[in-house]
Amino acid sequence: DVKVTQSSRYLVKRTGEKVFLECVQDMDHENMFWYRQDPGLGLRLIYFSYDVKMKEKGDIPEGYSVSREKKERFSLILESASTNQTSMYLCASSLRARDRGKRGYTFGSGTRLTVV
Amino acid sequence: GQNIDQPTEMTATEGAIVQINCTYQTSGFNGLFWYQQHAGEAPTFLSYNVLDGLEEKGRFSSFLSRSKGYSYLLLKELQMKDSASYLCAVRADYKLSFGAGTTVTVRA
Repeated sequence: DVKVTQSSRYLVKRTGEKVFLECVQDMDHENMFWYRQDPGLGLRLIYFSYDVKMKEKGDIPEGYSVSREKKERFSLILESASTNQTSMYLCASSLRARDRGKRGYTFGSGTRLTVV
Repeated sequence: GQNIDQPTEMTATEGAIVQINCTYQTSGFNGLFWYQQHAGEAPTFLSYNVLDGLEEKGRFSSFLSRSKGYSYLLLKELQMKDSASYLCAVRADYKLSFGAGTTVTVRA
């Protein structure tokens, strides 16, 4: 079964810490995405990548950066964690545009981050 | 970004039918998706529409009208396990943009 794996299910970090969230997919997908999900706001796109070493800002990139050194791995970095970054973070992947088919994205199980 | 609206909550009885509406405004439309998300879990794919009309898949159906910027998800013969959040998502280029989700509660 195809998978998107996020390294941590729950994380608690202190304000000001540098935080790394890791995501790995085994489907050979070109596109990878990071979203955060908050009650009443739905999923909001932080960053996405359509190829190795490529990255594009989503709708809410402030306070975040990303790294994609290998095709299968896409990391989200919180440079200096703040309490307003407490959220559920979801990673997703999809095929390149012309091949992406009808399933949209495959999501990981999410990382619930609490910044105290 | 896109502007995607769907109701916040709906409640229905086991065995009944529920229709979740979604309206959107977008440029570069390239498909509309519905996802199901149980509490604490990842969203899972339910349906996809890119052309106008109805797509049926078992107990779930999804409808799209591109000219009206409108879709609905129809859940028939509701079961308790259908209690979940249902997410409407619009694709443009590489990206999916999501509505805030509709929480459906199925009562016995």
